[in-house]
Amino acid sequence: KQEVTQIPAALSVPEGENLVLNCSFTDSAIYNLQWFRQDPGKGLTSLLLIQSSQREQTSGRLNASLDKSSGRSTLYIAASQPGDSATYLCAVENNNDMRFGAGTRLTVKP
Amino acid sequence: KAGVTQTPRYLIKTRGQQVTLSCSPISGHRSVSWYQQTPGQGLQFLFEYFSETQRNKGNFPGRFSGRQFSNSRSEMNVSTLELGDSALYLCASSFPGPEQFFGPGTRLTVL
Repeated sequence: KQEVTQIPAALSVPEGENLVLNCSFTDSAIYNLQWFRQDPGKGLTSLLLIQSSQREQTSGRLNASLDKSSGRSTLYIAASQPGDSATYLCAVENNNDMRFGAGTRLTVKP
Repeated sequence: KAGVTQTPRYLIKTRGQQVTLSCSPISGHRSVSWYQQTPGQGLQFLFEYFSETQRNKGNFPGRFSGRQFSNSRSEMNVSTLELGDSALYLCASSFPGPEQFFGPGTRLTVL
């Protein structure tokens, strides 16, 4: 059974810092890995999706990497802004089953 | 292109009642997945429908059921509500393509 872990559970940084969020998974036979952000009480917004054959994806200030062999993914956020404050979730899909981590709650202080 | 829509956005029910939630996927998307999110358990997969057929199912009791219509809209039903069913219910649509797009969710409170 796939288990997804996100570390740290919470992170607080000053505006402008670069930061890294971590996601690890136990079964490396994945189809893809997706990063989402969730604002309080809201749905999920897709940020980046990495297919199993890919190593990384970039969108604006975000860069996500995938290392299947070690069961790890990182989400790098450059030049953080207060508007980046949210919970970030990673989700791993295999066999039509998507498993989510518990998320990292990010606070960016002005 | 309109996003995933869910109705109602908020719902209050009492124990023992039943509830039906609705999800309209992004136009052209054929797969709809449902999730339950609670503070204690996080996001948990309920089931996925593709072309009106349930393709995958999570580990939830039979009180939780769903269906998908020919226009890809989906409904989920929870019968005999329990206090522990209070949660944010999210649906997501996809296909073609693996990326999942989520709706805003339905906040269900069971009293």
